Amino acid sequence: EVRLVESGGNLVQPGGSLRLSCLGSGFSVSDTYMSWVRQAPGKGLEWVSLLYSRGNAHYHDSVRGRFTISRDDSKNSIHLQMFGLRPEDTAMYYCVRHSGTHWGQGTQVTVSS
Amino acid sequence: IRMTQSPSSLSAAVGDRVTITCQASRDIKNYLNWYQQKPGKAPKLLISEASSLEAGVPSRFSGSGFGTDFTFTIASLQPEDIAMYFCQQYDNVPFTFGPGTKLDVK
Repeated sequence: EVRLVESGGNLVQPGGSLRLSCLGSGFSVSDTYMSWVRQAPGKGLEWVSLLYSRGNAHYHDSVRGRFTISRDDSKNSIHLQMFGLRPEDTAMYYCVRHSGTHWGQGTQVTVSS
Repeated sequence: IRMTQSPSSLSAAVGDRVTITCQASRDIKNYLNWYQQKPGKAPKLLISEASSLEAGVPSRFSGSGFGTDFTFTIASLQPEDIAMYFCQQYDNVPFTFGPGTKLDVK
């Protein structure tokens, strides 16, 4: 059974940093592309970043230069390193397999002073 | 690619046929997903490739379309279908979502 479990969300001050993790099971995260998608409270879904199996990455314009997506094959995990956090980054962050076949339960990031 | 979705909200009675439309700003072939999201839960993929029903999803859900215009249909609305519905293109990064349709019972 495919499963994704996110962790690392927290309350952080503006300008702060967080590292989100997504542990995969039931499949290999290196065999497909993986994404992070976020959802601000009461809002719609926003794609944030994608990592292809070959290692090339893409980012939403709003996070490019501040966020970095990576993969740890030994732990079957992907990560989202977030720097320079802003209040508008406040959201539930979901880890997503391939084009959307599987989603984690999400991890909450709150940026506030 | 900009995705538009209509209506933004919809009230329907149990047993009604419900239709939601999604339009892409340019050709996305059939690289379109439809999701259902209930409060406090992650989105659930219902339909991929515009018209392919995911395993375990009831057959009252269906999708159609190609290129820029897509339709999602619930043949006979059930109480458990009350949720938000989103379309998403995955033809080109960034993989953009429609703004969503809130479906409730009349």
